[in-house]
Amino acid sequence: AQSVSQHNHHVILSEAASLELGCNYSYGGTVNLFWYVQYPGQHLQLLLKYFSGDPLVKGIKGFEAEFIKSKFSFNLRKPSVQWSDTAEYFCAVRGFGNEKLTFGTGTRLTIIP
Amino acid sequence: DARVTQTPRHKVTEMGQEVTMRCQPILGHNTVFWYRQTMMQGLELLAYFRNRAPLDDSGMPKDRFSAEMPDATLATLKIQPSEPRDSAVYFCASGLDSFDQPQHFGDGTRLSIL
Repeated sequence: AQSVSQHNHHVILSEAASLELGCNYSYGGTVNLFWYVQYPGQHLQLLLKYFSGDPLVKGIKGFEAEFIKSKFSFNLRKPSVQWSDTAEYFCAVRGFGNEKLTFGTGTRLTIIP
Repeated sequence: DARVTQTPRHKVTEMGQEVTMRCQPILGHNTVFWYRQTMMQGLELLAYFRNRAPLDDSGMPKDRFSAEMPDATLATLKIQPSEPRDSAVYFCASGLDSFDQPQHFGDGTRLSIL
């Protein structure tokens, strides 16, 4: 079975600070990995995805994530956050051949102006 | 941009009433997923379909919930009878049954059962 852990439940940062949100997954084979963002009152939007190839993936709005297979991790990073990045961030995993996504519990990010 | 459309956006009703939520997947997508989001449980997969056939509804309380796809452009999630613990945001997502394609989410239905 596939599973995802997001250890940071709530992160508070000042504008211009650097961000790293942790994501660890569990699955015994090839995986797809995703980060979704949910702005207050809105639906989930895809930030970035990893399928294969370069383990450093760049997404929208200046976000990037690095897949480290040996650590089963897919941490999300942004060098300088903005107030508009205030949202909830979800990491998700999908094992090869499995259509179901398993989401982490989410990390609420609050950016202080 | 193609989008997943969900109706209604908000629903408030009394306990015991039937609730029907609708989802129009992105044209051409052949997989449809229903999720429930609550503060306590986060995002839970309730059911999903491929080519209109239900593949997995193990996340759904069978006695009161039902999910169907009457045609390729409509998926429904029904609760009968509804209970206060069903209050949540219900999201529909659609995608292609290809390993390298992500799911696209609708805006959700915010359901409150009084």
